[in-house]
Amino acid sequence: GQQLNQSPQSMFIQEGEDVSMNCTSSSIFNTWLWYKQDPGEGPVLLIALYKAGELTSNGRLTAQFGITRKDSFLNISASIPSDVGIYFCAGHMNNNAGNMLTFGGGTRLMVKP
Amino acid sequence: KAGVTQTPRYLIKTRGQQVTLSCSPISGHRSVSWYQQTPGQGLQFLFEYFSETQRNKGNFPGRFSGRQFSNSRSEMNVSTLELGDSALYLCASALGGTETQYFGPGTRLLVL
Repeated sequence: GQQLNQSPQSMFIQEGEDVSMNCTSSSIFNTWLWYKQDPGEGPVLLIALYKAGELTSNGRLTAQFGITRKDSFLNISASIPSDVGIYFCAGHMNNNAGNMLTFGGGTRLMVKP
Repeated sequence: KAGVTQTPRYLIKTRGQQVTLSCSPISGHRSVSWYQQTPGQGLQFLFEYFSETQRNKGNFPGRFSGRQFSNSRSEMNVSTLELGDSALYLCASALGGTETQYFGPGTRLLVL
């Protein structure tokens, strides 16, 4: 089952507002990834973080890899209607066992125009 | 560059049947991972193939299996389908030495 705690589970905000969501884990991860999933589609990669403390931006999106390597957050500034979707965090543990991502439960974002 | 493709996109099967899903990774990617997504359990890792070898396996019963071909295309097979196997099955590809995975659109399987 999932090992990542993602919050909030859902958010209903006004267009133009900023959004913040985060993921925490009891385990250390070496990589944090943030994905967005639209209904009926696969997750699309938004931001990848590879180093503790790293802060990375992609347009209106900013994500950080926590110093403890057990958490990460994603901020969306000035939200727009097309930001609607489910956002997932995912962590990768470097255990020499290849590529295996552990996912959070998702944050469902709804934006009111 | 074309993204990850999965076929078929939708599938309806009955209990007891078996099913084979196909995934073509991004050109040049050698790692293919499979995930099951359900409303109750979320996204769960099934297995990963790299250079035709299973490199990692999640906690799923032996009814779930897969393989990878020399061109990196992968298939997953589910035998003796159960109602609980209804899910969106996602394939993700990666270069092989990296953790950055890119997902396909998924195959939605409904078991009746």
